[in-house]
Amino acid sequence: GNSVTQMEGPVTLSEEAFLTINCTYTATGYPSLFWYVQYPGEGLQLLLKATKADDKGSNKGFEATYRKETTSFHLEKGSVQVSDSAVYFCALSSNQAGTALIFGKGTTLSVSS
Amino acid sequence: GAVVSQHPSRVICKSGTSVKIECRSLDFQATTMFWYRQFPKQSLMLMATSNEGSKATYEQGVEKDKFLINHASLTLSTLTVTSAHPEDSSFYICSARPRTGWVEAFFGQGTRLTVV
Repeated sequence: GNSVTQMEGPVTLSEEAFLTINCTYTATGYPSLFWYVQYPGEGLQLLLKATKADDKGSNKGFEATYRKETTSFHLEKGSVQVSDSAVYFCALSSNQAGTALIFGKGTTLSVSS
Repeated sequence: GAVVSQHPSRVICKSGTSVKIECRSLDFQATTMFWYRQFPKQSLMLMATSNEGSKATYEQGVEKDKFLINHASLTLSTLTVTSAHPEDSSFYICSARPRTGWVEAFFGQGTRLTVV
């Protein structure tokens, strides 16, 4: 079945450091891939997405490239801020109507000034 | 993006009572909505898929008589936690995917349920 594996945290960085959170997936067909972010006590917000191989999703300085050859969708940011502290979830959609997204376990990012 | 509104954001109830949580898609129609449960510092656990006009589909291990789901319209799904107990305390999140034009899902703000 489809699954998502992402690196376990917590990830602790200083402000302006480079961020990478690894995510790999297993899926049949051609899934869409997502990164969601969750701030404390809130729901999930879509951070970025990619719907086909070699697509690069980007938003708020974050980027991730859909790599079919390595089945990966790693999240990167060149310079993190304290306000980026949150839990980040990698997710996959089979694109079939009526199916839920499949999530990784989440990675907690803590950025200190 | 599309907006999903969940209410209430926080509720405290006594053990043995029932609590209803609403999930509304504000600017799109959703034939399918999803209910998740999240334990502290853990990922989202899919509880059930709510289908407009038909019975919900529950994941293995989720008690359908404990967690009643109703999807009466294309913009509203409700989750009722019946006869709540302290072990039902958790963060519940709903999600919806628009019928057409979007591949992503949109999430409500979540409901923090505390059973005392």
